Amino acid sequence: GAVVSQHPSWVICKSGTSVKIECRSLDFQATTMFWYRQFPKQSLMLMATSNEGSKATYEQGVEKDKFLINHASLTLSTLTVTSAHPEDSSFYICSARGQGPGATQYFGPGTRLLVL
Amino acid sequence: KQEVTQIPAALSVPEGENLVLNCSFTDSAIYNLQWFRQDPGKGLTSLLLIQSSQREQTSGRLNASLDKSSGRSTLYIAASQPGDSATYLCAPTGRGSTLGRLYFGRGTQLTVWP
Repeated sequence: GAVVSQHPSWVICKSGTSVKIECRSLDFQATTMFWYRQFPKQSLMLMATSNEGSKATYEQGVEKDKFLINHASLTLSTLTVTSAHPEDSSFYICSARGQGPGATQYFGPGTRLLVL
Repeated sequence: KQEVTQIPAALSVPEGENLVLNCSFTDSAIYNLQWFRQDPGKGLTSLLLIQSSQREQTSGRLNASLDKSSGRSTLYIAASQPGDSATYLCAPTGRGSTLGRLYFGRGTQLTVWP
């Protein structure tokens, strides 16, 4: 099946710093990528949807200035958590979908963020 | 807004049992529905995708059924094995203005012991 990678797999940072997470589709072109956040024992919460070459669409309650998303190519999307705080500590997962409305979504392995 | 509920929340069984995991969703206007598996601290692995026009889909020991009109899907796992231990998530896909968006429930945490 299709492969989606995320980097880094885990990161520890100090409060106030910014962290960038990369999501890559390795063997297909992803016209749409999604970013999710998952807290322990909770479901995945969609943060934003990004389409290549256009601005991301953020879900209600997600601060676009805090969670910057860039989808500059058909194989790469980045999520930057700006001025991270301890409450931003979570598991961030991206997914990528190919062309067509019924295309399967493939998920990355996730990035564990811990803000001290 | 689409709401997804999965029952049971947790399941612990000895290996060899046939299992039934239930998923219900409030908006039947879906494009398709996927079942995923999530291992602890990992991403999601797609198990099965059922188109809205289909009634079921099979892959190995897994069989998923879909009753779109009643907003239900069921995942059957035959002859369960310890390696099946994981959290199972169902996710209907929106259509129309929400086309391509997945809606997740909290999942069913499955433990299969030897």
